Amino acid sequence: GEDVEQSLFLSVREGDSSVINCTYTDSSSTYLYWYKQEPGAGLQLLTYIFSNMDMKQDQRLTVLLNKKDKHLSLRIADTQTGDSAIYFCAERWGYSTLTFGKGTMLLVSP
Amino acid sequence: SAVISQKPSRDICQRGTSLTIQCQVDSQVTMMFWYRQQPGQSLTLIATANQGSEATYESGFVIDKFPISRPNLTFSTLTVSNMSPEDSSIYLCSVESGQGTYNEQFFGPGTRLTVL
Repeated sequence: GEDVEQSLFLSVREGDSSVINCTYTDSSSTYLYWYKQEPGAGLQLLTYIFSNMDMKQDQRLTVLLNKKDKHLSLRIADTQTGDSAIYFCAERWGYSTLTFGKGTMLLVSP
Repeated sequence: SAVISQKPSRDICQRGTSLTIQCQVDSQVTMMFWYRQQPGQSLTLIATANQGSEATYESGFVIDKFPISRPNLTFSTLTVSNMSPEDSSIYLCSVESGQGTYNEQFFGPGTRLTVL
């Protein structure tokens, strides 16, 4: 079955770049997503990428997709303390349901 | 986009009781989902609820434990029945809203349930 793996924890200093990594096993994945969950809140869709793309940039966020290695990354430039949250990688094929990773807790220190 | 609200936002319940969680969406949607997020874990899909039909449950979840209602295109409820401490989780409602071939999935703020 599908499986999505993420590292559990990342700590960076304010102003640095953060890179959160994700690997997935389903080569049929059509869409890949990054969600953000702040403490006590639901999930917020940050960005997504179609499987036929290699890169997507949206302001401070850069998503890189290596389809051959089934590796997805999220880079946050100039990380701020407000970026501290849990980041979930998710994938889906076509109209199937989302499969989530366990989430990476990002801690940004001043 | 879709804005989703859930009630209650949190609750503390006694073992053996039941809790019904409400999910309200600000637009009509066909597909609604209920997820569970256990402490330190990822999101696990409980069931998919489409208006006018029985909910479809994922492996490991049954209707007797998690009955779901979907009376219209903007509302759904999930009941956690005969609760035990293992049911302590965040329960999230989610909807799918899309244009063309791309469907985006939106999430509610979640209901944090603690069972004593």
